[in-house]
Parts: sequence; C-alpha cells; structure tokens
Amino acid sequence: EIVLTQSPATLSLSPGERATLSCRASESVDRYLAWYQQKPGQAPRLLIYDASNRATGIPARFSGSGSGTDFTLTISSLEPEDFAVYYCQQRRNWPPLTFGGGTRVEIK
Amino acid sequence: EVQLVESGGGLVHPGGSLRLSCTASGFSFSDYGMTWVRQAPGKGLEWVSYSSSSSGTIYYTDSVKGRFTISRDNAKNSLFLQMNSLRDEDTAVYYCARGGGWFDSWGQGTLVTVSS
Repeated sequence: EIVLTQSPATLSLSPGERATLSCRASESVDRYLAWYQQKPGQAPRLLIYDASNRATGIPARFSGSGSGTDFTLTISSLEPEDFAVYYCQQRRNWPPLTFGGGTRVEIK
Repeated sequence: EVQLVESGGGLVHPGGSLRLSCTASGFSFSDYGMTWVRQAPGKGLEWVSYSSSSSGTIYYTDSVKGRFTISRDNAKNSLFLQMNSLRDEDTAVYYCARGGGWFDSWGQGTLVTVSS
C-alpha cells in the first residue's frame, strides 16, 4: 500500500498570501496524484489531477507540481473561500487507492 | 448537471446490516466506474470500494472484504453498498463518487453510525 504523507498538518496564513502544501509518497506514483479541497460539512472537490491538471472550473490560482514521490499544491493568493482542508490521493498502484492525512489551511 | 444522492444511512448496532444507495443523474451512469469513500468523524478520507461500469471489476479495501458488497443497477442509475457485520470502526459519512482513479463528482454523503 502506498502511504501519502502531507505536510504541514496545519497552515496558518492570511488572505492574499501564498500557500504551499506538500504531499510525499512512500514510493513513486509517477504523476498519478490528485488534490481535493474539503470545506466543513461538504463533500470533497477535485482540484488537480495527474499532478498538475486543473479540474473543470478550478481557478488558476490553484496549481500542482511534482512527480515520483514529492508533490506540491500551491495557492498563489489565498481567497477567503480557500480556507479548508486539502487532501492528496494516488492512483498509481491500487487497490487500495490511498489518501493523505490532509492539510488544514486556516486563517491567521 | 451531475448529481449523486446517497441514502440509507442510519444508526445500527454492531453486527448489524445496512444497504446504502446512490442515485445518479446528469450523466451517462453506465459509462462510468463508481466508488464509495468514507470519512470517520473528524478524520480523513478512506477509499472503500470500486465497481467498474459493467461491474466486471470490483475492488474493496481490506478492512471491509467479506463484509461489504458493492453493486450497481445501470438501468436505474444506481450504485449500492451492502454492509454486513458492521463494526464500531465503520462509523463514518459514506460518499459515492464518480470515477475509479480520480473522483470528479461526489454526493453529499450519508452518515452511518454503528453503536450499541
């Protein structure tokens, strides 16, 4: 099973700041990595797939990068609606599909 | 507009059973693999089970193998999860999601609580 480790667990930032979230895989997942956003009481929403492709309707301030074992989700300038929990997920080697433990982006 | 609506959650005793349903609309259900993902209270996301579009390929996470059964009725645009021998640790919100690798649409979830 591929383990995904996200860091930091919590990121405290102000609106307008840049957010950099990390996801590290226990073995290579090539570029088969996605990022999801989840707000309280809501279902997750797909942001990025295949490491760097934005899903339909996702604003350009969200970008993904990386390959192999190290991946980054960047939010270039935080909007108030971006404060949420973010999960990475791999599909390189499944079952099982696995998710990271999440990074909470909170208002500083 | 793609919509996924789960139902069937509730309170059940340990060892009991529940059947979750997910009704899809707004897309050609029979063309897509479908997945169940769960989230325990205050915890992260956990993949549970996958069915290919034709039900020819089915997967489960190890902790539910032999207890949960995924199925689908393409004529009724519906996905199901039969959950037997439920345990405390199965308590979670259960989401159905479209896709088998990436999940581009999700339902709102249905809460399953296993407790005596």
